[in-house]
Amino acid sequence: AQRVTQPEKLLSVFKGAPVELKCNYSYSGSPELFWYVQYSRQRLQLLLRHISRESIKGFTADLNKGETSFHLKKPFAQEEDSAMYYCALSGYNTDKLIFGTGTRLQVFP
Amino acid sequence: GAGVSQSPSNKVTEKGKDVELRCDPISGHTALYWYRQSLGQGLEFLIYFQGNSAPDKSGLPSDRFSAERTGGSVSTLTIQRTQQEDSAVYLCASSYRRGGGTDTQYFGPGTRLTVL
Repeated sequence: AQRVTQPEKLLSVFKGAPVELKCNYSYSGSPELFWYVQYSRQRLQLLLRHISRESIKGFTADLNKGETSFHLKKPFAQEEDSAMYYCALSGYNTDKLIFGTGTRLQVFP
Repeated sequence: GAGVSQSPSNKVTEKGKDVELRCDPISGHTALYWYRQSLGQGLEFLIYFQGNSAPDKSGLPSDRFSAERTGGSVSTLTIQRTQQEDSAVYLCASSYRRGGGTDTQYFGPGTRLTVL
């Protein structure tokens, strides 16, 4: 079965601390993995995708096929990073996104 | 340019009534998706359109739910005989489907449906 698991509902850190939002997945085949973010009173938007191998707003995520994980990391959190983060997967040519339940990141000053 | 728009932004209805939710995708986007965000459930896929056809309806929770898309543009999600468990935020997304791989999906602001 296709599934995305985000074990933490809430992650609270202080500004400047490292952040790691966990994401594990289950998929038979080669999925595409994404992180979406929803800031307060804004719409859901793509943060990054594994095939791009980019760093967006200081965030990176590496696909680990052995551990079936796609954790989102940032070395120094900023207050403006406070938001809801969703990990999602899609299979090649399946189009639909399968989302995890999300992790709320709170960054305190 | 304009993003994905959805209407209404909020809808309160009584149990048993029918509701229609509308989505206007980004101009030129051939793919359109409906998702549902329920409290504590995350985002669930409902249905996907490519043009006016729906190759994947696997997420529709029951036959009370239906959707159509006309002119390769606007889509309507209809829920008949609404139940309290239908209360959720319904999100629409669109993408420029080029084939192979998954194109970036752009999301609308959502419609918050409350069934009393």
